Amino acid sequence: GQQLNQSPQSMFIQEGEDVSMNCTSSSIFNTWLWYKQDPGEGPVLLIALYKAGELTSNGRLTAQFGITRKDSFLNISASIPSDVGIYFCAGPINAGGTSYGKLTFGQGTILTVHP
Amino acid sequence: GAVVSQHPSWVICKSGTSVKIECRSLDFQATTMFWYRQFPKQSLMLMATSNEGSKATYEQGVEKDKFLINHASLTLSTLTVTSAHPEDSSFYICSATRAQEQYFGPGTRLTVT
Repeated sequence: GQQLNQSPQSMFIQEGEDVSMNCTSSSIFNTWLWYKQDPGEGPVLLIALYKAGELTSNGRLTAQFGITRKDSFLNISASIPSDVGIYFCAGPINAGGTSYGKLTFGQGTILTVHP
Repeated sequence: GAVVSQHPSWVICKSGTSVKIECRSLDFQATTMFWYRQFPKQSLMLMATSNEGSKATYEQGVEKDKFLINHASLTLSTLTVTSAHPEDSSFYICSATRAQEQYFGPGTRLTVT
């Protein structure tokens, strides 16, 4: 299966700051997904990307599907305390897979926001 | 609101016993569900694909005789951890697909003592 490398592993920021995290792979992905997981909960989809070069926003969140199809980044602007959690990138576990099939996840970025 | 539920949300069992975890799709039918495992501070790892009406398919390295999956109906999949050991302690998360989007359950925390 395809592997995802996510960085940074953790971030400690002040409320109001912007955040950026990214995900890379040695393989090409046709779909990039970004999830947020709150403690003791399952992950919730934030943004889905389906096309190389695509830039998509969801409120204060913006994500881009890299042109090479081997990377993606997620930005959070003007962070607030409820942004705290673990952010995961994910993609189909096999080349040609779909966002609603078997998924592989990055290692996660733990975000802490200080008020 | 939640579209996938899991029961129980947490369970403690003794080493050597078996424990069953349920995953239900709420108000929709799911012919396929997925089971993931997440160790503390780690990522989600796919364990198996649960198929309604047929056998589950397991990812490499996952023991099918230890993690029994039964997709009893179009809204229910169960994962039974047999002869549990402390190293099976983990957060088990299921997911189901509705309208080409995958929804994850809230997870079940299993602790084996």
